[in-house]
Formats: sequence, structure tokens, C-alpha cells
Amino acid sequence: DAGITQSPRHKVTETGTPVTLRCHQTENHRYMYWYRQDPGHGLRLIHYSYGVKDTDKGEVSDGYSVSRSKTEDFLLTLESATSSQTSVYFCAISHGTSGSPGELFFGEGSRLTVL
Amino acid sequence: QQQVKQSPQSLIVQKGGISIINCAYENTAFDYFPWYQQFPGKGPALLIAIRPDVSEKKEGRFTISFNKSAKQFSLHIMDSQPGDSATYFCAAGYYNTDKLIFGTGTRLQVFP
Repeated sequence: DAGITQSPRHKVTETGTPVTLRCHQTENHRYMYWYRQDPGHGLRLIHYSYGVKDTDKGEVSDGYSVSRSKTEDFLLTLESATSSQTSVYFCAISHGTSGSPGELFFGEGSRLTVL
Repeated sequence: QQQVKQSPQSLIVQKGGISIINCAYENTAFDYFPWYQQFPGKGPALLIAIRPDVSEKKEGRFTISFNKSAKQFSLHIMDSQPGDSATYFCAAGYYNTDKLIFGTGTRLQVFP
């Protein structure tokens, strides 16, 4: 398994509270991603990062922010959680090199419930 | 349009049977089509991938069939086993980038 650790693995919170999910990798991969997985929607990209302090928005970025101050850590923050953000969040990494860009290595997910 | 449409949503197959999952894409510029397999409680993992220069790719019991003119591709699992029970996601994107559009997933159950 790729060295990806997500924390927390499970969290229940209330509407309006801030939440931070952490992704830690030991592979020294440059590219990191946050996806959310919802029934009927598959996997949707929230934010991604191509390096330290280099982040950009994905297709469903509203309500989320990210930070990457170290190569190994990628944080996803919900500033004020809403019930629509109840989901399973996956961190992924990739080599990011030409020739094998499509292979994403996923963490085991963080299940977030917003009441 | 950037959608990838995947069907069926769920599939029940008997052990030894053939499982078939279909996907359709809209963007003719896509040139990379992977399939990811996800077991309960785990993250997805790359299973097999194809590029449009070939119409079929086989790895063991898993085969991708690709129809460029119809903008469709499918995953065939031959001699399906209970251990194949998982959710399968197709995806489409550009080979020289890391951006993928995922299908909505198919939950496969293989019964002995």
C-alpha cells in the first residue's frame, strides 16, 4: 500500500463548526489531491496541489480550503461545515511525471458526518 | 461536456460468470481511460487502463474493450470470483495530465 495516512478516519460534527482533515504521505510524491465520494456522484476532485504552497481548485471546491506547507502533508479545511459536506473524503497522491500521470494512489478515506 | 456515464449502478453475478460494466464519455480529446477497484472501507486502486490507440487490453481475467467511434469503453471480468466483489469506477482524462473525470461507480457482487 502507498504510504498515505488520513486522519481522522471518522468524525461527527455539527453544522457551522470548522473541520480539518489531514493527509500525510511518506512517498515524497509531489502531487496530492482531495476527493469526495458520494453515492450517485462517484469521486469528485475538491482541491489539488503540485507542491509546497502550490494549490488549485477542483470541480467542487466551494466551502473548502487547503494548505500544503510541507511536501508530506496536505490539509483540507471546512471553515463552516454544512450537512451537504457529509461525505467520505479521500486523499490521493501521484508521481506527477509524464508517462504515468493517471495512476492515483488513494488513502483509506475519512468519513465525515455533519449533523 | 466532461461527464463520464457509468452503468449499471449495481451488478449481481454468479461465480464463474462474466461481469460487464459500461462507460460512455463525451470529450473526444480524452486519451486515457483507467478503471479503479474499491473494496469496502478502502480507497480505490488502479486496476487496468487503456489508451485509444488499441481497442482492447487484457490483464488476467480483466479486459477493457474500447470503442472510439461510439465514445464507449467497458470492463469485462471473466470467470468472476467472490473476491472480485467491490465497487468499480471508470474514469477518463488526458494521458499527459493527472486530471481524471470519474464515473459514478458500479457495485459488483459475485455470489458463490
